[in-house]
Amino acid sequence: ILNVEQSPQSLHVQEGDSTNFTCSFPSSNFYALHWYRWETAKSPEALFVMTLNGDEKKKGRISATLNTKEGYSYLYIKGSQPEDSATYLCAFWNAGNMLTFGGGTRLMVKP
Amino acid sequence: SQTIHQWPATLVQPVGSPLSLECTVEGTSNPNLYWYRQAAGRGLQLLFYSVGIGQISSEVPQNLSASRPQDRQFILSSKKLLLSDSGFYLCAWRRGVGTGELFFGEGSRLTVL
Repeated sequence: ILNVEQSPQSLHVQEGDSTNFTCSFPSSNFYALHWYRWETAKSPEALFVMTLNGDEKKKGRISATLNTKEGYSYLYIKGSQPEDSATYLCAFWNAGNMLTFGGGTRLMVKP
Repeated sequence: SQTIHQWPATLVQPVGSPLSLECTVEGTSNPNLYWYRQAAGRGLQLLFYSVGIGQISSEVPQNLSASRPQDRQFILSSKKLLLSDSGFYLCAWRRGVGTGELFFGEGSRLTVL
């Protein structure tokens, strides 16, 4: 069983705050790292697919970085908005077709 | 465009009863298919995945089973449900090659009483 850890488990921020969370994963046999956003009453949706060490991806106010050598990825949200409230999941893909998810970070943005 | 559907959305079953959750994908061929479960307060746990018809890999020993009778159909079953089977079940697909993302179904909430 692969160990994919996310921290913190939950986070409360005020509207306008910037925030970040961490995903750590095994540094060997790396294939890809995914980030998903899971809003209440919806299905998880992919934010980023990252494959290269040093990768940095951005979508609007959300960005992510990847360090495959040390086994971590950061997700950043700049100027949080209430609609950013969701659970953010990372998923580690090693060789094969298994995608192992972390426990998620639940973000709540207060207006 | 591709779509994924799973059903039923909600079900309440007594302990010891059978289970069948179905998932179908449209608009693509030879997808990789997955069943995940989210138990209360926890992340997504991979239960089964399939790379082709009749090919099932199980990640967690349990009283659940999966079958893929057709290319775009994935079924999760149990002969006798346990209380611990309660949770939110998600079916997902991805393209068979590359490192692309998963696309999830709407989910099925199972309560075993």
